Amino acid sequence: GQSLEQPSEVTAVEGAIVQINCTYQTSGFYGLSWYQQHDGGAPTFLSYNGLDGLEETGRFSSFLSRSDSYGYLLLQELQMKDSASYFCAASSGYSTLTFGKGTMLLVSP
Amino acid sequence: NAGVTQTPKFQVLKTGQSMTLQCAQDMNHEYMSWYRQDPGMGLRLIHYSVGAGITDQGEVPNGYNVSRSTTEDFPLRLLSAAPSQTSVYFCASMASGTGGDTQYFGPGTRLTVL
Repeated sequence: GQSLEQPSEVTAVEGAIVQINCTYQTSGFYGLSWYQQHDGGAPTFLSYNGLDGLEETGRFSSFLSRSDSYGYLLLQELQMKDSASYFCAASSGYSTLTFGKGTMLLVSP
Repeated sequence: NAGVTQTPKFQVLKTGQSMTLQCAQDMNHEYMSWYRQDPGMGLRLIHYSVGAGITDQGEVPNGYNVSRSTTEDFPLRLLSAAPSQTSVYFCASMASGTGGDTQYFGPGTRLTVL
């Protein structure tokens, strides 16, 4: 089987930096993706790590360590609109993703 | 491009009824998937397809059927609805099977089974 663990909720204030961790146990692991979902709407892709290290996309960065089966999403200069659920998802096998249960990020003024 | 579209947006069924959730994409993507999302459970893969005529089961396939007769369409059929199938259903498509590809999700269908 495959499983991903991430915190259920994280809180932070505007302008701060927050890190959402994800640990995984999968077979045939290809890489780790991150998705954002606002209020039950359609999840949207944020980033992907196929290799160890840091990937940066604007205010968002994602990190992967295959040896530790661990990754994280880093959000900088938090804004109120960043309040959402964030999912890590492992690619394992052909075109399939296994999602974590999601982390709800609450950004306060 | 409309991206990934799903119909209906909302549906209420009685136990035992059958229905089809429609999904279409206009990006010529080979890979399409169906997920269900329940509170606190994240997204769970129901069925997926790697191309027209090819489908396979995901994590929670029981009670659902799929077919892929064209690249564009990937309908999900509930054979005999049960209250346990009350959920939000998302369809997604992806250009290829490589891990780094983006999955594009539709807006979802909110299904209630009474």
